[in-house]
Amino acid sequence: KAGVTQTPRYLIKTRGQQVTLSCSPISGHRSVSWYQQTPGQGLQFLFEYFSETQRNKGNFPGRFSGRQFSNSRSEMNVSTLELGDSALYLCASSFPLDRGDTGELFFGEGSRLTVL
Amino acid sequence: DAKTTQPNSMESNEEEPVHLPCNHSTISGTDYIHWYRQLPSQGPEYVIHGLTSNVNNRMASLAIAEDRKSSTLILHRATLRDAAVYYCILRDSSGGSNYKLTFGKGTLLTVNP
Repeated sequence: KAGVTQTPRYLIKTRGQQVTLSCSPISGHRSVSWYQQTPGQGLQFLFEYFSETQRNKGNFPGRFSGRQFSNSRSEMNVSTLELGDSALYLCASSFPLDRGDTGELFFGEGSRLTVL
Repeated sequence: DAKTTQPNSMESNEEEPVHLPCNHSTISGTDYIHWYRQLPSQGPEYVIHGLTSNVNNRMASLAIAEDRKSSTLILHRATLRDAAVYYCILRDSSGGSNYKLTFGKGTLLTVNP
């Protein structure tokens, strides 16, 4: 079956711009979470969505936001980009726990954002 | 979130077993121990997870200490494709669904031919 799909895979923006990243989860998965990966900070949790509702949120400024649609696809948005936002943004999906979730997260290949 | 401690790097030879240690002395009773690995230029990949008992799957084995303060991921025969960063993560299962994973620095495994 198809894995988690993230688009775009690579993008370059300039400071002050905003960016929207998209994530299509594995069919049947209703939980989608987002992570930021940088060489200095490693993998950091951004937020998680389930049934169009944000359930968990990491320690990121309000410039980072997300949403989930009724088909479980998710988008994240970063406004007023800063140089430090350059990173690999990873999306992961999973079955909900009430369906016998094993706890496994399925990650996409990520969207690499470069801010100039 | 409970924290884990792993060696920064380890080296192994191809076809030999690899034991990747993880310390989690502050683990709580509701924390599951998860292992993920990240190959170069890819997203993390689930390897295995467990709560109290040792676990085996097609990829690896997970040995959990009796007091749960440490665990060891065992790759029975390392291949070059196992070269990756391995993350040991505690996931709190209390209070229902919680998909917030706290990744540490992980262990960079190098496999020599």
